[in-house]
Order: sequence, then C-alpha cells, then structure tokens
Amino acid sequence: GNSVTQMEGPVTLSEEAFLTINCTYTATGYPSLFWYVQYPGEGLQLLLKATKADDKGSNKGFEATYRKETTSFHLEKGSVQVSDSAVYFCALSDPYSSASKIIFGSGTRLSIRP
Amino acid sequence: GAGVSQSPSNKVTEKGKDVELRCDPISGHTALYWYRQSLGQGLEFLIYFQGNSAPDKSGLPSDRFSAERTGGSVSTLTIQRTQQEDSAVYLCASSPNQGYEQYFGPGTRLTVT
Repeated sequence: GNSVTQMEGPVTLSEEAFLTINCTYTATGYPSLFWYVQYPGEGLQLLLKATKADDKGSNKGFEATYRKETTSFHLEKGSVQVSDSAVYFCALSDPYSSASKIIFGSGTRLSIRP
Repeated sequence: GAGVSQSPSNKVTEKGKDVELRCDPISGHTALYWYRQSLGQGLEFLIYFQGNSAPDKSGLPSDRFSAERTGGSVSTLTIQRTQQEDSAVYLCASSPNQGYEQYFGPGTRLTVT
C-alpha cells in the first residue's frame, strides 16, 4: 500500500540556515505529492505540491522536487526564518487509484532560533 | 471564499457522555474527510465521504465513532460514550474531488475528563 516516511524531528536550526526535511514515499500508482504546514495554534495549510515526476513545487521560499527515481520529495529552503517554526507534513495521494484519502507522514517539528 | 469551518472549537466533556462535532466544507467540494490528531502525533484518518458514495469508514477506531454527511455538505462526527483516550484535535478537510489537495478546518479540540 501507499506510505510516506519523513525524517524524525525535532529539527532545530539558527536563523538563515539551510533547511532540508527528507521525505520518501511508497506508492503503487502515480501519486501527487504535498507538503502541509501547521503553525503553532493553527490548522494545517497546504504549503506546496507536485503532481508528476520532475515537477517542482514552491511557495514562501520553500521548494520540493518530485523525484520518481528515488521516490523522494524533500523539502528545502535556503534561508530559514523564525516564522518558519512549525510542524511540516509530507503527504501523497493517488487520484487514479481506489485509495480514498491522502496519506500523511508523521510530521517534522521545526524550530528556528533567532 | 469561505474556508472549512468546524464547531465547536473546543469541547470539554465527561467520560461516558456523547459528543457531536460539526464540519462545514467549502461549497462545491465533493470530498470530505475527518482526521484525529493526538498531542504531538501525526494525523490519523477516520472517515471519508465522496459525493453520494458509501463512506470509507476504514479509519474509525471503534464502533463508538460514527459520522454522517447530510445533503452532500455538512458533516457530523459523533463519539458515543467518550473515553479519555478520545481526547485529541479532530480535523475536518474537504477537497474538490478524490485525490486532490485537501483544505483543512481549524479543528475541534476535544478534552474528555
């Protein structure tokens, strides 16, 4: 079945550091891939997405590239800010399969020090 | 337009009581999902509605949990005879169709004392 594995947190970085949060997936079809973010005290928001291989999703300085050969969708940002502190969830869905829900990873908590 | 709304935002109940949680999806979204997020944990899928099809109940943790969706819009999640382990944030999401990105509501924080 489909699954998502993302790096365990918490991840603590200094402001302006480079960020990578690893995410790999297992899927039987051709899934779409997502990163969701949950800021403290708020609900989940879609951060970015990619719907096919080699697509790059980007938003708010974050990027992730859909790598079919490595079944990965790592989240990156060149220079993090304190306001990026949140929990990040990698997720997949396969609109062409009988799967009826998005599969979420367990989440990675990111804390940025000023 | 309006996003997904949920009510109440917070609910405190005594063990053994029944609770109802409400979700108003984005207008026109045919898919509606319920998830549970326990403290410090990821998202646990509970139930999924797609149009007029039979719901996918595969994530419901016990027969104390049920949900319905009336008229293809508003959904209610009911937990009967609540237990302390039911304490969590219950999230609702809707999407334009199966497999597309989901838009989440703010959640209902349930505390069972």
